[in-house]
Amino acid sequence: GQQLNQSPQSMFIQEGEDVSMNCTSSSIFNTWLWYKQDPGEGPVLLIALYKAGELTSNGRLTAQFGITRKDSFLNISASIPSDVGIYFCARTSGTYKYIFGTGTRLKVLA
Amino acid sequence: DAGVIQSPRHEVTEMGQEVTLRCKPISGHDYLFWYRQTMMRGLELLIYFNNNVPIDDSGMPEDRFSAKMPNASFSTLKIQPSEPRDSAVYFCASSLDSEKLFFGSGTQLSVL
Repeated sequence: GQQLNQSPQSMFIQEGEDVSMNCTSSSIFNTWLWYKQDPGEGPVLLIALYKAGELTSNGRLTAQFGITRKDSFLNISASIPSDVGIYFCARTSGTYKYIFGTGTRLKVLA
Repeated sequence: DAGVIQSPRHEVTEMGQEVTLRCKPISGHDYLFWYRQTMMRGLELLIYFNNNVPIDDSGMPEDRFSAKMPNASFSTLKIQPSEPRDSAVYFCASSLDSEKLFFGSGTQLSVL
């Protein structure tokens, strides 16, 4: 089936550093979403993207919908300890089937 | 507003026992999803409902798994009989009519 591959799988960064991660797909589709999962909780929606090239921010987070429509990027500026968690990209298909990526685990060192 | 409510938060059972997981979606949401999360397979969609009707259950692992949504405010996921490989975190999520899912806190299931 279709997969969303995220990289890196995990990363350790120092507090205050900027973070970049991406998500790629073998298929073209029309919506990218980014979620964050805190330990012991369910994922929470961060940003939704609806057209190629779109750049959207939510506080210190910025996400972009790749021009090829096969990838998306998430950046976190000036990371803080509470940014720790797993970041997932996700997409929906025309049948409303909702697929999540493999996840990027972020750990922030104070 | 209350979010998606799942119960129990933790469930420990023995192999062969029946397990029932419960979910109350956000009021007014038309879509309800059940996901399973494991380290090996990540977040897997098991089944989703629209207006209480199951639309796609192709992710349900096998006949031991069943899900129901008797009304707009309640859904169950049942495993009978349970097996150790069913151990995972099970999430319920609901959606109003868009791509944005709202997740519950999950049920951590351990089958011994």
